[in-house]
Amino acid sequence: GAVVSQHPSRVICKSGTSVKIECRSLDFQATTMFWYRQFPKKSLMLMATSNEGSKATYEQGVEKDKFLINHASLTLSTLTVTSAHPEDSSFYICSAGTGTSGNRETQYFGPGTRLLVL
Amino acid sequence: AQSVSQHNHHVILSEAASLELGCNYSYGGTVNLFWYVQYPGQHLQLLLKYFSGDPLVKGIKGFEAEFIKSKFSFNLRKPSVQWSDTAEYFCAVILFSGGYNKLIFGAGTRLAVHP
Repeated sequence: GAVVSQHPSRVICKSGTSVKIECRSLDFQATTMFWYRQFPKKSLMLMATSNEGSKATYEQGVEKDKFLINHASLTLSTLTVTSAHPEDSSFYICSAGTGTSGNRETQYFGPGTRLLVL
Repeated sequence: AQSVSQHNHHVILSEAASLELGCNYSYGGTVNLFWYVQYPGQHLQLLLKYFSGDPLVKGIKGFEAEFIKSKFSFNLRKPSVQWSDTAEYFCAVILFSGGYNKLIFGAGTRLAVHP
């Protein structure tokens, strides 16, 4: 149980284009989904938290207009990197929370999406 | 600010050696702690978690961790490692703030096990 998928797994795009990444919880409903960015040989950096049916909460320093997050249903969240530039090249990982109240939530992670902007 | 420290960035062991990876956190409130593992080319997987109760937590694949409140620590252990344990290990603490949960990760420890 608790499987999270991401699509695509890899994407190469030209500078200036937009890229959409999907995150799905396959066997459970996720009220909250999280988007992370992982730099080479570094830990995960939380970008934003998305709640189904409401606006995402972005971490300090993350551009809302650059990284658009939509949480359309309890099993799907999307991250759109708008007008991508080479510095946006990274490994983007989503996770889905089990929705347990308070701070007893467990997050299950997707396999990640490697984005390369040329 | 809340943070998680993992003392060892790289650990190299031979098979059958014992493993202990250090993790310390700085947070004054109630903590819930996790260890995640990332095998080469794979996604993060939950190894074990501590919410409350017995401070010695057993996880998958023979791993365990002990929560020592007085030391703000949650070290990961395995009595005898295998080559297949080669991976990166992340300690994390969950922070409940502003109505949602936020996982704060340590920098990770890269473990290499030699046959």
